[in-house]
Amino acid sequence: DIQMTQSPSSLSASVGDRVTITCQASQDISNYLNWYQQKPGKAPKLLIYDASNLETGVPSRFSGSGSGTDFTFTISSLEPEDIATYYCQQYDNLHTFGQGTKLDIK
Amino acid sequence: QVHLVQSGAEVKKPGASVKVSCKASGYTFTGYYMHWVRQAPGQGLEWMGRINPNSGGTNYAQNFQGRVTMTRDTSISTAYMELSRLTSDDTAVYYCARDSVPIVATIRGGWFDPWGQGTLVTVSS
Repeated sequence: DIQMTQSPSSLSASVGDRVTITCQASQDISNYLNWYQQKPGKAPKLLIYDASNLETGVPSRFSGSGSGTDFTFTISSLEPEDIATYYCQQYDNLHTFGQGTKLDIK
Repeated sequence: QVHLVQSGAEVKKPGASVKVSCKASGYTFTGYYMHWVRQAPGQGLEWMGRINPNSGGTNYAQNFQGRVTMTRDTSISTAYMELSRLTSDDTAVYYCARDSVPIVATIRGGWFDPWGQGTLVTVSS
């Protein structure tokens, strides 16, 4: 099974800050990596697919990069509505999610 | 508009089974994989498996092999997830989620959109 190691597990940042989350795969997964946002009591929402493609309707302050085993998710300028938990997900071999990163406002 | 509506909350005793449904609308049900993902209270997301609604073929995560069964009824565009031999560790919200890429597409699919609203399954004696 492919393991996904996401870091940090939690993060506090101020409005306007640049926020970065990383996700490392236990083996090469090419660009088969997605990012989701989940707010309390809600289903996850797709933000980025194939490592760097922004889902339609998602604000451009969200971005993703990486390939192989190392991936990065970035919010260029944090907005209050971005408070949520973020997950990476690989789909090179079935599916595995990272442990999640809980983001809150400092 | 693509929409997934799941069945309501369930309370089960340890050792019992639970069957959760996911009714799809707004697209060709047999054209896209349906996945099941669960989330224990305060925990992360865990992929359970997927079903090809056209063929009925399934792939299950190793953690659930032998305990989960995914089926579908194409006449009513509904997918089902049944989990047996429940324990308190199975207390979670269970989500269905549609794969974004058609099964017949030449590109590999694997991102999930949309998701159902979730079904809380509580296992308690």
